[in-house]
Amino acid sequence: RKEVEQDPGPFNVPEGATVAFNCTYSNSASQSFFWYRQDCRKEPKLLMSVYSSGNEDGRFTAQLNRASQYISLLIRDSKLSDSATYLCVVILGTDSNYQLIWGAGTKLIIKP
Amino acid sequence: GAVVSQHPSWVICKSGTSVKIECRSLDFQATTMFWYRQFPKQSLMLMATSNEGSKATYEQGVEKDKFLINHASLTLSTLTVTSAHPEDSSFYICSASRTTGTDTQYFGPGTRLTVL
Repeated sequence: RKEVEQDPGPFNVPEGATVAFNCTYSNSASQSFFWYRQDCRKEPKLLMSVYSSGNEDGRFTAQLNRASQYISLLIRDSKLSDSATYLCVVILGTDSNYQLIWGAGTKLIIKP
Repeated sequence: GAVVSQHPSWVICKSGTSVKIECRSLDFQATTMFWYRQFPKQSLMLMATSNEGSKATYEQGVEKDKFLINHASLTLSTLTVTSAHPEDSSFYICSASRTTGTDTQYFGPGTRLTVL
């Protein structure tokens, strides 16, 4: 089993719809979680951190479920510009010695 | 499948020395590899793109003589930070793609470089 798994998609969603996808992780000692957004062949950009209590940033909501070991990203009122690959990142370890584990990404395509 | 490793995971070196970081695709052949540098607020900056057997393409502002990239095989790319200085201290991450046309990149775990 991969340490971090994502459904590769693609998810084809009409503009204005709500879409959600998950990222599962296998190591229960995982400390921190992030969602990145990557446009085609460009560098990933940090979208949002994922906090234990869940957090929201505009149309984006991130949640963490430690018991089931997954994080989720919900996008409301999707826009054409939301089309991208969404990568989850899990961090193991401490500030002085940590390891990043990347998911392979979920491709999202928003259609007009 | 699609596992990418980096070595070393953490290196501390003295100012003026050179450091080589390896990026390997363990279970697939990577025609294209990318090198990124991670800044403190978790954002990534693409440094260069390398295709197996050819010279790397560097992003604007990245010194090609300072950051030497070699992609000699389909499973290995190396980044050498020459004459490292404290401002080069950062987190370096590589990713690999199977072909030049795909947009699926598989990321390595990163290498933390600390230059004293």
